[in-house]
Amino acid sequence: VLTQPPSLSVAPGQTARIICGGNDIGSKSVHWYQQKPGQAPVLVVFENSHRPSDIPERFSGSKAGNTATLTISRVEVDDEADYYCQVWDTASDHVVFGGGTKLTAL
Amino acid sequence: QVQVVESGGALVNPGGSLRLSCAASGFTFSDFYMGWIRQAPGRGLEWISYMSSSGSTIFYADSVKGRFIISRDNAENTVSLQMNSLGAEDTAVYYCARAYYDAANVYFPDWGRGTLVTVSS
Repeated sequence: VLTQPPSLSVAPGQTARIICGGNDIGSKSVHWYQQKPGQAPVLVVFENSHRPSDIPERFSGSKAGNTATLTISRVEVDDEADYYCQVWDTASDHVVFGGGTKLTAL
Repeated sequence: QVQVVESGGALVNPGGSLRLSCAASGFTFSDFYMGWIRQAPGRGLEWISYMSSSGSTIFYADSVKGRFIISRDNAENTVSLQMNSLGAEDTAVYYCARAYYDAANVYFPDWGRGTLVTVSS
């Protein structure tokens, strides 16, 4: 089970830190997706801290212990979306998503 | 440019069946795992199934195991999801996605726009 806060509000221009916690997350790669209303999810960070080439540098990922963090610097109104963390459980070969965090820029 | 396009979503009666299809292009389909993820209205993402590039390895979420069947046709660059014994809890947007797989990772770099399945009488 991956645990995310349901919501987070950040003023534009500030930094948003979205956390994802879970047992043994320290031993797994964590991936992050952004989903805007009515759209499909988009991968924004993979393998804990790597960013696809088309994702702005303002998006970064990190992990410490059993908590992974998606950091969005200089938040823009356009960053408003739901953000999901995801891992692969190698024991069961199952994919697990966190419950999602709704980011509001206001 | 990678493209993944789902089709087949519909309104179906409880207990009924439905087959979703996903057409992929812009990459060597036979080299990649493929998966399905769904999202119930107002809810989060739920992984359903993924399949290896050859089709020889398949995994299902417990919520659909025994009811849903994933398959692929590498000659046609398509992946399908046969859904049986549908219930209201299966109402969702179903996404098809190209998967990245290695010894330590499964994740989804590319997603389709989804197709809506509604189970209701």
